[in-house]
Parts: sequence; structure tokens; C-alpha cells
Amino acid sequence: GAVVSQHPSWVICKSGTSVKIECRSLDFQATTMFWYRQFPKQSLMLMATSNEGSKATYEQGVEKDKFLINHASLTLSTLTVTSAHPEDSSFYICSVTLETSGDYNEQFFGPGTRLTVL
Amino acid sequence: GQNIDQPTEMTATEGAIVQINCTYQTSGFNGLFWYQQHAGEAPTFLSYNVLDGLEEKGRFSSFLSRSKGYSYLLLKELQMKDSASYLCAVSDSNYQLIWGAGTKLIIKP
Repeated sequence: GAVVSQHPSWVICKSGTSVKIECRSLDFQATTMFWYRQFPKQSLMLMATSNEGSKATYEQGVEKDKFLINHASLTLSTLTVTSAHPEDSSFYICSVTLETSGDYNEQFFGPGTRLTVL
Repeated sequence: GQNIDQPTEMTATEGAIVQINCTYQTSGFNGLFWYQQHAGEAPTFLSYNVLDGLEEKGRFSSFLSRSKGYSYLLLKELQMKDSASYLCAVSDSNYQLIWGAGTKLIIKP
């Protein structure tokens, strides 16, 4: 499988500030990484697909100017929540996909980042 | 639209068997995944079904019926550590994962 790390694991910030979350693929070169958001008791919601060396692909309803994604290398993608507000408080998770011997793509998730905006 | 339905919460007893159902309506189908998610943690992979039938993996089994748009996850010999949310996800025609909201499983002694 693939090992994915995220930093920080949790962050508390004041409303109006920006927060950067890092996602690293530790043992696998990932040309594509995914960013999800999960509110309490709700499903994972795909925010964007991060592509190494090119612009991210955002899902409908996700503001690209608010959630800045930079995939500068094959092992690192960053998500910056700009001018964060309390409604942005959520669990942010990144993932990579790896084709398995079972002929399917399995997603490996980072441990997640809990963001609380005061 | 695309839709994944699964019960919000289930309760079972340690040592027993529980079945978590998932029904789906998606544009295309390229397989169904079950993931386990403990509170405050990221999901971890449990199983993948793309053909009809039962896939067994230790205490966990997953079943798929494509004609019915239906899957279930069967957990045997329940242990307290199995208390978690179980997420059903379907890979659609674009190989994008559509996620259910998850079923919170509570195990009682």
C-alpha cells in the first residue's frame, strides 16, 4: 500500500486567518492526490483533485480562490484555507490512489487534519 | 442524481454477527468499496466488490448484487474494536468515488 501523512493533525485558528495543510505521500510518487472534507456525521465530500505540475480540478461548489491547492512535487500537495471562517471548521483528509494486484484502484488516506475556526 | 444509502446507526452485541446494508444509484458502476473509519481518524480499506457474489476476508465479508444496486458488509464474531463507522463507496463511470454517509456501529458488551 501507500503511506500518506498530513500535517498538522489538528489546528485552531482565528476567523480571517489562513491555514495551510500538507499532504505527503511517503513511499509512493503520486501524480494525483485528492482532498476531501468531512463534517460531523456526514459523508466524505471530494473537494478537489490535485495534479502534480498543473492546476487542481475543483468539484462543483468548491471555491478555488478560497481553497488553494498546490501540488509542487510528486510527494507533496498543500491545501490552504484562506480567510477561514467558522463554517470552514471540518475534518480535511487527503488521499492517493494506487492500482492494486486486484485490478482496482485503492485509495489510501492520510490521517486527516481537524480544523477549528474560532 | 447519484445516491448511496446506508443506515445511520446500528447496535450489536460483542461476539454476535451484524449486517450493514448499502443501496446505490449511480451513473455507471466500476466497483463498490467498504471502508472502516474510527472516530477522528481517516478511513481504511476493508473490501472491494465488482462482480456479484460474496467476498470473504476473515471475520468480514462483503456481498454485491449489481442488478439490485445492493451490497452488504457482514461482520462476524464482533469485537469491541469493531465499533466504528462503516462507509460504502461506489466507483462511477468516471472512476470517481461516490461516498455514503456511513453507518455508525456501536458494539455493546
